[in-house]
Amino acid sequence: DAGITQSPRHKVTETGTPVTLRCHQTENHRYMYWYRQDPGHGLRLIHYSYGVKDTDKGEVSDGYSVSRSKTEDFLLTLESATSSQTSVYFCAISDPSDSLHEQFFGPGTRLTVL
Amino acid sequence: AQSVAQPEDQVNVAEGNPLTVKCTYSVSGNPYLFWYVQYPNRGLQFLLKYITGDNLVKGSYGFEAEFNKSQTSFHLKKPSALVSDSALYFCAVRDTGSARQLTFGSGTQLTVLP
Repeated sequence: DAGITQSPRHKVTETGTPVTLRCHQTENHRYMYWYRQDPGHGLRLIHYSYGVKDTDKGEVSDGYSVSRSKTEDFLLTLESATSSQTSVYFCAISDPSDSLHEQFFGPGTRLTVL
Repeated sequence: AQSVAQPEDQVNVAEGNPLTVKCTYSVSGNPYLFWYVQYPNRGLQFLLKYITGDNLVKGSYGFEAEFNKSQTSFHLKKPSALVSDSALYFCAVRDTGSARQLTFGSGTQLTVLP
């Protein structure tokens, strides 16, 4: 999985609690992304970052916030988790100088909100 | 806005037979198209891409895809399916903006029967 780790890999939490997921990369890629995967929806973009402290919203950003204080780390926070945020979350990275235009994905975090 | 449609949730094929996984897209301007594969409990792995050039693109594990601009399609194909090809396949289209956001289809579960 191309030098990308996600932590935790599995988490069970209760409605209303804050949750932070971490994505860490060792590739020094400028762009980082957070997706959620749900049956019937494929992957949907939550937020992305195009550099340290530079982030923007994706398709399904409501209820999520992100931060990127270092090139290698991209954090996804659910301020107050809801059952609708039960999903598998994937981080991805890409390099703007990469002519292959590929995104590389981490192994995913399975989050269950009870 | 860009979009991707994978009209089949499930495709079953016998081992040794040819397989096709369908994908159609909608995007303004020239499309950048991708196929990814996901094995159980894993992240997405890149299979192949179309950026420009030949309409028949060859990728990993013997897969290929045919870009058809008039039909706005990018179907994934393999001449002879293996049981190990059984997985979830995603088609994706990239916008031409600087953020390199990918829009994914809903996925097609391929099952190769022995």
